[in-house]
Amino acid sequence: QVALQESGPGLVKPSGTLSLTCAVSGGSISSSNWWSWVRQPPGKGLEWIGEVYHSGTSNYNPSLKSRVTMSLDKSKNQFSLILISVTAADTAVYYCAKVGSYGAFDIWGQGTLVSVSS
Amino acid sequence: SSELTQDPAVSVAMGQTVRITCQGDSLRTYYATWYQQKPRQAPVLVIYGKNNRPSGIPDRFSGSSSGNTASLTITGAQAEDEADYYCNSRDSSGYRLFGGGTKLTVL
Repeated sequence: QVALQESGPGLVKPSGTLSLTCAVSGGSISSSNWWSWVRQPPGKGLEWIGEVYHSGTSNYNPSLKSRVTMSLDKSKNQFSLILISVTAADTAVYYCAKVGSYGAFDIWGQGTLVSVSS
Repeated sequence: SSELTQDPAVSVAMGQTVRITCQGDSLRTYYATWYQQKPRQAPVLVIYGKNNRPSGIPDRFSGSSSGNTASLTITGAQAEDEADYYCNSRDSSGYRLFGGGTKLTVL
């Protein structure tokens, strides 16, 4: 059974760079799957950030596209999110997720809270 | 429209049936997937595709779609079903998109 675990700094300064990693266990990141990031500001709903395919192809939410980069590290069986020029509005719980059949997010990490504050 | 619209809150008496809806033009083309989220927990997939349940999801959860509206139905709601429910699909450009979520209260 595939499991996901997010990691990264819990605090980022305004105008800085948010960098998170999602470690994949119980399966290979090189399998034919999309791997995605979703975030949730405190007390608000879910927002899709983007996704990366095992080939390295990526798709991003148009509202975040200019600031987001996603990548894979097959040697470490993990994928990453980089979000630049962050503001307080980027404060959220960030989840990584595996995309399965019919494009469903079938496995989720536990989530990690990232606060943007000086 | 590139939005998915959900009612912010719905309530149901325990043991009764409740339908949670998700509206959007893209639902005429794409299936919706449904997620349950309890406080301080990650979302859990409950319905995907036409009407498929992942292993471990009770059969009281079902999905359907008609025109621009997708529905999640809970037949015989239980106390443990109280949660936030989110639909997800794609917008007109093919990008993934979540609805605003529905808070379900089981009375």
